[in-house]
Amino acid sequence: SYELTQPLSVSVALGQTARITCGGNNIGSKNVHWYQQKPGQAPVLVIYRDSNRPSGIPERFSGSNSGNTATLTISRAQAGDEADYYCQVWDSSTALYVFGTGTKVTVL
Amino acid sequence: QVTLRESGPALVKPTQTLTLTCTFSGFSLSTSGMCVSWIRQPPGKALEWLALIDWDDDKYYSTSLKTRLTISKDTSKNQVVLTMTNMDPVDTATYYCARIYGGPGGGHFDYWGQGTLVTVSS
Repeated sequence: SYELTQPLSVSVALGQTARITCGGNNIGSKNVHWYQQKPGQAPVLVIYRDSNRPSGIPERFSGSNSGNTATLTISRAQAGDEADYYCQVWDSSTALYVFGTGTKVTVL
Repeated sequence: QVTLRESGPALVKPTQTLTLTCTFSGFSLSTSGMCVSWIRQPPGKALEWLALIDWDDDKYYSTSLKTRLTISKDTSKNQVVLTMTNMDPVDTATYYCARIYGGPGGGHFDYWGQGTLVTVSS
């Protein structure tokens, strides 16, 4: 089955840039979506189809995808960005949705 | 305005069958490309996709849980129902329903319910 691997945690200084990776076999050939989940809340879509932001999501959130790694970048990190982040793809070979292992972002 | 809301028992006993209902508004599951999915999250753990039903009544299931899951829809009531048989304490989780627009594989989970916590315990 297809697997997506994320770092367990990422720390970033206030105002600096955080990069969260999502590794998968040839993930660059798939559409990757990213979700933010704050404690006790449902996930919220922050990036879809690799690099697109839904309305209401700050421009500080951006995404890229190539080769075996997709990346969510949070620029000018704010305290409110502290959350768990999950990547997600559709594996067409098995007709299954797959979520990454999740990354906890801490803003110092 | 799109909304989804999960409902069902907060507590089930081991071996029992869980039935969860997702009631939604703001869209129709008869619209081409529209799908509703179930996703769960055990306490402190990652999201796990469970099942999806699309506008054409096609159904997709997690490989590991396929034998225990059934998803169905009632378009007239704007509801999607998930049943999971033979519940076990490891199935304790928050269960979410979410919408996808763009067909199976073609979209992303753009709207989510608030989730419902199901505890499996005797």
